[in-house]
Amino acid sequence: EPEVTQTPSHQVTQMGQEVILRCVPISNHLYFYWYRQILGQKVEFLVSFYNNEISEKSEIFDDQFSVERPDGSNFTLKIRSTKLEDSAMYFCASSGGTLTYYGYTFGSGTRLTVV
Amino acid sequence: AQTVTQSQPEMSVQEAETVTLSCTYDTSENNYYLFWYKQPPSRQMILVIRQEAYKQQNATENRFSVNFQKAAKSFSLKISDSQLGDTAMYFCAFMNRAGGSQGNLIFGKGTKLSVKP
Repeated sequence: EPEVTQTPSHQVTQMGQEVILRCVPISNHLYFYWYRQILGQKVEFLVSFYNNEISEKSEIFDDQFSVERPDGSNFTLKIRSTKLEDSAMYFCASSGGTLTYYGYTFGSGTRLTVV
Repeated sequence: AQTVTQSQPEMSVQEAETVTLSCTYDTSENNYYLFWYKQPPSRQMILVIRQEAYKQQNATENRFSVNFQKAAKSFSLKISDSQLGDTAMYFCAFMNRAGGSQGNLIFGKGTKLSVKP
């Protein structure tokens, strides 16, 4: 069964450093997403990406965050200057077509720890 | 704005018994999907079951079934013959399908289910 792959599984970074989280969505999917889950809390939407541009973003997704699909297969989330409160599990997800639900699949997550 | 409420922070059930997890949501939209996701200690998000709002028939997946009450905006998950491997956090989620697009998921706060031997 197709999978969404996220790397690394765990990243530790110092406060103020830039971090890039990587995702390889399912190949025939058209929509890509990033979600965040702070430990013990609910999963929160960050951003969605379609047709090489951001289609929707939440209030959490401020100027410190950016997304990119640099080569047609990878989908990255960059945090420019990490803060302690950015420590969380970050999930990438992808989903299929525009008119039919083809499946909304999550990756296994990247645990980001900011120290 | 849509909201999803799970009023049971924690629940427990004996192995082989049946348990029902509650979820209510608030929306003015008519076209949407509802989901239950399971998150075991590994923290991976695993789709358990989904329901299209336009379908009156309740979705079922093996031991998992839902009771979808559109007018009441209620979407509960029933787990039959509970197994130790069902121990996990369970999240209810809503997705707006207005315009046929695939939107973001809005999650509830989750219910921690413990299955006891």
